[in-house]
Amino acid sequence: DAGVTQSPTHLIKTRGQQVTLRCSPKSGHDTVSWYQQALGQGPQFIFQYYEEEERQRGNFPDRFSGHQFPNYSSELNVNALLLGDSALYLCASRIMLSTDTQYFGPGTRLTVL
Amino acid sequence: DAKTTQPPSMDCAEGRAANLPCNHSTISGNEYVYWYRQIHSQGPQYIIHGLKNNETNEMASLIITEDRKSSTLILPHATLRDTAVYYCIVRVRNNDMRFGAGTRLTVKP
Repeated sequence: DAGVTQSPTHLIKTRGQQVTLRCSPKSGHDTVSWYQQALGQGPQFIFQYYEEEERQRGNFPDRFSGHQFPNYSSELNVNALLLGDSALYLCASRIMLSTDTQYFGPGTRLTVL
Repeated sequence: DAKTTQPPSMDCAEGRAANLPCNHSTISGNEYVYWYRQIHSQGPQYIIHGLKNNETNEMASLIITEDRKSSTLILPHATLRDTAVYYCIVRVRNNDMRFGAGTRLTVKP
């Protein structure tokens, strides 16, 4: 049983560009959340998707958007990239309405030059 | 979700028990305590969680005080591979994990 998978592993972009990151949840999970982790800090919650809708959102600008597909996989899109968007982007999945835990993927390392 | 307070860093000798404290004095009755750890640049790894009672699994033990205002994660026999940042998180069932700065545990030979 594969856990949470993310692609790509690493990505380099320049300021002003747009990027799309992808996540496949753990089998049986229906909820996907995205986090941004800057160097030396804890992960910061971006948003959560359930039933193909954004359900919760952290303190991130509208440049950060997402999508969830019928098979529960998800994409994170970031427009107009800034140098400060350089970070490890983590995807996590779980089962909604469950006390079961949330499992994290290995992350995508985004570097903005 | 309740806020947590953890020491920024701790050291532990290899083979000894590592006891990581967490203060969550504003925890409410329906909030669970979760522990994750993150080894350098990897995704956070789930360790254990609990509501009121002490919990134990193959990785660690979780001791929650009777008033639930604090907890301790115990790694019974720390190894060098346990060197990581450990995060204590409290959350209600449907919310996502909100991370603080965590405790950087260094296990020394």
